[in-house]
Amino acid sequence: NAGVTQTPKFQVLKTGQSMTLQCAQDMNHEYMSWYRQDPGMGLRLIHYSVGAGITDQGEVPNGYNVSRSTTEDFPLRLLSAAPSQTSVYFCASSLGLAGGLNEQFFGPGTRLTVL
Amino acid sequence: KQEVTQIPAALSVPEGENLVLNCSFTDSAIYNLQWFRQDPGKGLTSLLLIQSSQREQTSGRLNASLDKSSGRSTLYIAASQPGDSATYLCAVSGGSNYKLTFGKGTLLTVNP
Repeated sequence: NAGVTQTPKFQVLKTGQSMTLQCAQDMNHEYMSWYRQDPGMGLRLIHYSVGAGITDQGEVPNGYNVSRSTTEDFPLRLLSAAPSQTSVYFCASSLGLAGGLNEQFFGPGTRLTVL
Repeated sequence: KQEVTQIPAALSVPEGENLVLNCSFTDSAIYNLQWFRQDPGKGLTSLLLIQSSQREQTSGRLNASLDKSSGRSTLYIAASQPGDSATYLCAVSGGSNYKLTFGKGTLLTVNP
């Protein structure tokens, strides 16, 4: 049981490049989400999914796309990278919606630098 | 809009001391509150989850309390150890999408 895995761990992009951050979980969790963590800003929700085929926007969705074709995977796509997207990105999952007893499990993060 | 505040932002204590970390939130309509630990350069590890109907949860040397009506939670760490040094984050779940709102964390340093 690997939990929540993220690849790559580090990435450097040039402005305007696109890339996909990968996230996978092997716990059969329905709820998955992406956060970014910036100094002085805390963690902010980018996008989330309540199950395969269902996604929705969080607090800071602009510049990011997601899709959820399987229960296990929830990739985050940067369409045209900007320096403002330099951040640490975390993927999280829980058995259901983040209420009640649904404990959130986080991946190790991807450190992204956009030059 | 839910806002979560953690005080203090940083705390340095000698080994063996008991300590309290504070978390406050502005909207009491929450489903649960979670305390996380984050080591430098690492992801978040869940420590305790308190449902909105509960008053406290305990795990080992950690005890978290929740007073939903006043919008406050505390994380009590007993007999602190250098290995407890990390950033501690609290997050509340609420709203139509059960969104987690995080505080900015308390950086704890336990000195040998």
